[in-house]
Amino acid sequence: AQKVTQAQTEISVVEKEDVTLDCVYETRDTTYYLFWYKQPPSGELVFLIRRNSFDEQNEISGRYSWNFQKSTSSFNFTITASQVVDSAVYFCALSEDNDMRFGAGTRLTVKP
Amino acid sequence: DGGITQSPKYLFRKEGQNVTLSCEQNLNHDAMYWYRQDPGQGLRLIYYSQIVNDFQKGDIAEGYSVSREKKESFPLTVTSAQKNPTAFYLCASSSTGNTEAFFGQGTRLTVV
Repeated sequence: AQKVTQAQTEISVVEKEDVTLDCVYETRDTTYYLFWYKQPPSGELVFLIRRNSFDEQNEISGRYSWNFQKSTSSFNFTITASQVVDSAVYFCALSEDNDMRFGAGTRLTVKP
Repeated sequence: DGGITQSPKYLFRKEGQNVTLSCEQNLNHDAMYWYRQDPGQGLRLIYYSQIVNDFQKGDIAEGYSVSREKKESFPLTVTSAQKNPTAFYLCASSSTGNTEAFFGQGTRLTVV
């Protein structure tokens, strides 16, 4: 089965700092999909982005940006000028053969 | 409103009793998933279903059972065979296995 590794268990930053959350994946398929989700304290996961394996173009959405590199099997997530509301657990996920597997998550704390 | 509903939000059961967690979606999604979340371990896949009357085991299916008799519903039964059932359970759905998943608010099960 596919595997997703989020090596950073917890990260703490001060507001306005930039922060990058790492995600490394393993798969034998050539066709797969990568995702990032945010889990606020309420518990419900919120979808942030989806990328397919044939699209390595990086993406920026406001303060969020994603760097997909197949050569290193990584799909990193950067928050620019972090805010307190960004505090949450962030999950990277990989889907292949129609089932989705998640990393262990990174807990981000942004202090005022 | 369209969405995915899990009930109840909190559930208490005595050890040795089976318990069923409800998951309903009105998004017309074909795929549905059950995940278990324990502190520090992220989301682990219990079962998933790509179509009505069909479902597949995930990584930690032992001690759990599911059914998919209707497209809208994917109930999860935690049986007495599950050795450590106390956890946070999340249900999700997606239009296909490779599109973004929508999550319910979760059910926190405590077995005493």
